[in-house]
Amino acid sequence: ETGVTQTPRHLVMGMTNKKSLKCEQHLGHNAMYWYKQSAKKPLELMFVYNFKEQTENNSVPSRFSPECPNSSHLFLHLHTLQPEDSALYLCASSQVGENTEAFFGQGTRLTVV
Amino acid sequence: DQQVKQNSPSLSVQEGRISILNCDYTNSMFDYFLWYKKYPAEGPTFLISISSIKDKNEDGRFTVFLNKSAKHLSLHIVPSQPGDSAVYFCAASAKSNTGKLIFGQGTTLQVKP
Repeated sequence: ETGVTQTPRHLVMGMTNKKSLKCEQHLGHNAMYWYKQSAKKPLELMFVYNFKEQTENNSVPSRFSPECPNSSHLFLHLHTLQPEDSALYLCASSQVGENTEAFFGQGTRLTVV
Repeated sequence: DQQVKQNSPSLSVQEGRISILNCDYTNSMFDYFLWYKKYPAEGPTFLISISSIKDKNEDGRFTVFLNKSAKHLSLHIVPSQPGDSAVYFCAASAKSNTGKLIFGQGTTLQVKP
């Protein structure tokens, strides 16, 4: 089983829907991240949580709402999205305070119709 | 304002030859650099890293070189194999800044048999 698990793997939603992406890490890390990958663009950091506290929000629109109930779980709540929000959403975790790699989940392929 | 840049969107190499992927950065606070490999519909997987106190790190067929004065790093793969065909992302982090990863745009490597 991978150290970082994301569900669902694929999601199609209408612009008026509300849905949530889920991420769970089994690595004992203290930081979790949401990244977005759009076509032909770099991986864009969206949110950072350290010890369950949000430490960074990279000017992400309010239609994306993160939630981190504990250090192992991270959610991304979605509402009234636009078609241009269609992308691959990746969750990652790492151990803050050490120079170590982040581990990624498989991602959720989101399509907004 | 892109802090990590991979200026070559694609690279094609013959099997057995060397692949060289390049990455430039602008933030002098970065002290840890990583390369990730990504297959379609999967999350990035960690490949190799280097701390700013070193100028070279080798792991099997993969070697990363860091030139701090030029703010440049490169990944060498030798010999290249068809299974190396993927998108390669360069990433950088600063220990003083939560250790979050900032990614380049990625370079698509194709290794031809």
